[in-house]
Formats: sequence, structure tokens, C-alpha cells
Amino acid sequence: DADVTQTPRNRITKTGKRIMLECSQTKGHDRMYWYRQDPGLGLRLIYYSFDVKDINKGEISDGYSVSRQAQAKFSLSLESAIPNQTALYFCATSDYTGGNTGELFFGEGSRLTVL
Amino acid sequence: GESVGLHLPTLSVQEGDNSIINCAYSNSASDYFIWYKQESGKGPQFIIDIRSNMDKRQGQRVTVLLNKTVKHLSLQIAATQPGDSAVYFCAETLLPRGASKIIFGSGTRLSIRP
Repeated sequence: DADVTQTPRNRITKTGKRIMLECSQTKGHDRMYWYRQDPGLGLRLIYYSFDVKDINKGEISDGYSVSRQAQAKFSLSLESAIPNQTALYFCATSDYTGGNTGELFFGEGSRLTVL
Repeated sequence: GESVGLHLPTLSVQEGDNSIINCAYSNSASDYFIWYKQESGKGPQFIIDIRSNMDKRQGQRVTVLLNKTVKHLSLQIAATQPGDSAVYFCAETLLPRGASKIIFGSGTRLSIRP
């Protein structure tokens, strides 16, 4: 089983709909992240969390919100989806030493299409 | 074969040859650099890292070179194999924030000719 699991893996929705992407991890890491990947733009950080009560905005947080329900779970919500949020979304984790390194452990991605 | 920065997104290499993937990073203050590999349909996977107090670091079949003077990073893959086909991302960050402040490049796609 994957250490970082994302659901759903693929989702097609319509403009204005609320969407939640979920991430769970069995690595025991405190730190969790949501990234967005667009063709030709690499990965950009949306939100990150260092602990259950800690939420931080990343580079592109507008239009998104997150919830850290437990150490192992970090969900990403689009309150009112728009077409330019069509992208591949990745959840990632790192342990405390990840603060002093760049080693992130990624899930397999959630492909979201907003029509 | 070689690629240059982020303006040549595809590199084609003969199986068995060495691959060199280049990256120009943006922030002269960055002090930690990472290479990730992303295979089709999967999330990125850490390959190797290097700190700014080093100019070379070797792993298994991979070597990362850092030239801080010209803000250039390269990944060398020895004896390229079909399993090396992937998109490779360079990334930079400032310690100690590390993983929370990583900036990823747009990637280079490596394809292997049989």
C-alpha cells in the first residue's frame, strides 16, 4: 500500500461546485503539503501544515482552503471550482528533519478537471 | 546528451549513454538544492540533494554538480537505462525552512532511445 494516499485520483466537475481532495499518510510524518502541478510550470505550493493545529499559506492559496483533521490526514477544498483550477494536485509529507532537507514524499496525484 | 535550463524541456538519450540535465536556479541566496524524478502517472520522488557548501555530490549512478557563481545545477546519470525515462525537476530552497520553501523548476523530460 502507498505511504501517501490521495482520493479521488481523478475527478471531473463543473464550475461553481465544491470539491474536496483528501490525503492520508502512514509515514508518521508531522508535516504535510498540497501542491499543484500545471504543464510547464512545475509544482507550486498551495498550503502546508506542520502539525494538527498549524495551517500556512503557500505560493498560490487563493481559491483554496485546507483542513488538518489529524496527524495523518490533510484535505484540500475548492469552495467554488473554476476552470483555471484544472490541474494535477499532489499531497506530500516530510518529517521534522525535512525542515532541514528537501525530501518530500509525494502521493500519486489527483487529477482535477473543472468544466 | 545535454539539456540547457528550463527552455529545452525534452532530452533524448541513447540507452547506455550518460545523460546531463541542466538547471538554472533563480535565487542566489538559496543554499540547498534537490533533484526529483517523476515517472508517468506518479508523484515526484527524491533523487539526490546538495548543500551550497559543496560543488559535487555522488549517488548511485547519479551525480549532482553545483556552480554557485553562475547559479547552475546539473544532474548527471551514468549509463542511462529505460527506467530512467521520466521528468526531472530541480528545486531550490533556503535552510532551515527546507521543505516548506522549496521552489521547483518546470522540469526536463528525459526519453531513452533503444
